Amino acid sequence: DTEVTQTPKHLVMGMTNKKSLKCEQHMGHRAMYWYKQKAKKPPELMFVYSYEKLSINESVPSRFSPECPNSSLLNLHLHALQPEDSALYLCASSQPGQGGETQYFGPGTRLLVL
Amino acid sequence: QKEVEQDPGPLSVPEGAIVSLNCTYSNSAFQYFMWYRQYSRKGPELLMYTYSSGNKEDGRFTAQVDKSSKYISLFIRDSQPSDSATYLCAMVGYGGSQGNLIFGKGTKLSVKP
Repeated sequence: DTEVTQTPKHLVMGMTNKKSLKCEQHMGHRAMYWYKQKAKKPPELMFVYSYEKLSINESVPSRFSPECPNSSLLNLHLHALQPEDSALYLCASSQPGQGGETQYFGPGTRLLVL
Repeated sequence: QKEVEQDPGPLSVPEGAIVSLNCTYSNSAFQYFMWYRQYSRKGPELLMYTYSSGNKEDGRFTAQVDKSSKYISLFIRDSQPSDSATYLCAMVGYGGSQGNLIFGKGTKLSVKP
């Protein structure tokens, strides 16, 4: 099973709202990622968790707050977003080492900020 | 010079054609090479994964890596309309979970019936 699931599929929020995106994988992977993808662009890395610890934060604004409650779950908490934050948010996972750097992506959450 | 270069297309071919998609890269530290297929408004789907120079075949898809030339290719035989999507090459160095997966810009492919 190479499935990464994400909820919700679509999200519309105002600039004063607080919402969360959720990601889950049951492949036993110990690295999980959040990416942001704008139309006609490749995914841009936001955060990396390795063994449930935040290992990379690509200078993402503090209105995005990641959380890794356990090895299978990854959340992205959203607060006071801007319209330019509207994008497809992708979660991915991989198994560190073992030559397993291949990342498996979820279907994404399409976010619209009004 | 960008780390990974990929012609964005768009590329339009008739059904049944052989499609060649290519990426070049400049960082010799890249060890693992991937091709993802992304349908409109969906997440990227892993198609092929290679870590050594040479060819790897999976059904109608063949991934080719030439590390000496820093060049990778994806060939699609007997292309189908269902292959219409954006194809992203991606690569990473060893221990990549601590670093970035570097993507090409993606090539948009359209296969006409």
